[in-house]
Amino acid sequence: EAQVTQNPRYLITVTGKKLTVTCSQNMNHEYMSWYRQDPGLGLRQIYYSMNVEVTDKGDVPEGYKVSRKEKRNFPLILESPSPNQTSLYFCASSFEPGPTYEQYFGPGTRLTVT
Amino acid sequence: DAKTTQPNSMESNEEEPVHLPCNHSTISGTDYIHWYRQLPSQGPEYVIHGLTSNVNNRMASLAIAEDRKSSTLILHRATLRDAAVYYCILRVRVGETSGSRLTFGEGTQLTVNP
Repeated sequence: EAQVTQNPRYLITVTGKKLTVTCSQNMNHEYMSWYRQDPGLGLRQIYYSMNVEVTDKGDVPEGYKVSRKEKRNFPLILESPSPNQTSLYFCASSFEPGPTYEQYFGPGTRLTVT
Repeated sequence: DAKTTQPNSMESNEEEPVHLPCNHSTISGTDYIHWYRQLPSQGPEYVIHGLTSNVNNRMASLAIAEDRKSSTLILHRATLRDAAVYYCILRVRVGETSGSRLTFGEGTQLTVNP
């Protein structure tokens, strides 16, 4: 089954404790991205990747890192999480970033930073 | 990015058609109109997209006004499973080498009554 998977689905952590949220897709997609969803703000893009070893900032990259060492994986790294990073996170992928292609989203990771 | 305007909420009865409107008066000639939906506790899901002509797929139909300043997502027979937030999004390419983000607004919360 074609899908985007994220782990963990739920995470409660403390300020400053480094964490990684994994994202993997099995559709051989070139393009992957991370979004965060907050009430009243909609979904905002954090980082995206056009291909292996090619990443770039989205609208809200501060406090986040990403890497794309393999085509299928695109982990989101919070080196020193803070409470304002409490949010619902979604990973997405598509064949290419162009406007004729749909994006596939993962199920989401709900992160709470205390 | 060009902006879209949608009603905050709509209601429908099960097995009746639903017409979800979207205004995008500042759309440019190369912007594609995409619709996504987000079911409760899930990631966004692609529904349909189009450029100028009306489009049909297994999930829905997309009717695009002749001047492209508005569009309507049509669910032909609403089911309880169609209760979700529906997002109308204009897809633009951000530069020649960068990614094409999805800019989500607040969408329309569709309630389907049994």
